[in-house]
Amino acid sequence: DAKTTQPTSMDCAEGRAANLPCNHSTISGNEYVYWYRQIHSQGPQYIIHGLKNNETNEMASLIITEDRKSSTLILPHATLRDTAVYYCIAPYNNNDMRFGAGTRLTVKP
Amino acid sequence: ETGVTQTPRHLVMGMTNKKSLKCEQHLGHNAMYWYKQSAKKPLELMFVYSLEERVENNSVPSRFSPECPNSSHLFLHLHTLQPEDSALYLCASSQVGTLFGDGYTFGSGTRLTVV
Repeated sequence: DAKTTQPTSMDCAEGRAANLPCNHSTISGNEYVYWYRQIHSQGPQYIIHGLKNNETNEMASLIITEDRKSSTLILPHATLRDTAVYYCIAPYNNNDMRFGAGTRLTVKP
Repeated sequence: ETGVTQTPRHLVMGMTNKKSLKCEQHLGHNAMYWYKQSAKKPLELMFVYSLEERVENNSVPSRFSPECPNSSHLFLHLHTLQPEDSALYLCASSQVGTLFGDGYTFGSGTRLTVV
């Protein structure tokens, strides 16, 4: 896996966009970037993944820089239920999804 | 049933007991995984099964023994565990064969307490 670096924690106001950064400067050309989140004591939930192009789905948007060395997960209108630990992963292959410490996002009223 | 189902949700066992955790996926995936999450620690990948063959064993003690009888079922057999093995055990599944897919689907986990 390419090493990823994320801030330990972030706060966001309810209703505002939450922008979660991830650095993956050693990522190779064929390694995707995956994002998951884990709400307390539940199994992680897949959010989105991408290779080069920006991606959007019903949960979030993923912005990947042109050099692919970093990415940002955007939750456009954060709610209290988005409070969770968010993981950015760049696996060598999709048999090898290894989770780091992630970013603890707290959405505040 | 949909998704990934793990049973039991909670398990308390003594150090001399033998128990098994069960995972079942209803997604048609062909790979399954066991993860361990101890308190305040990141998830640790324990075992990987792809096309029903074990492809990874991340230096897991032999008191944990996985079994994958078919692509929909995964077991983790436990014996002579230690209190430090108390953790949330998570099962996941995915589709492999293409280079990358839509990521893993996780179950809700089994909360194991060893007394």
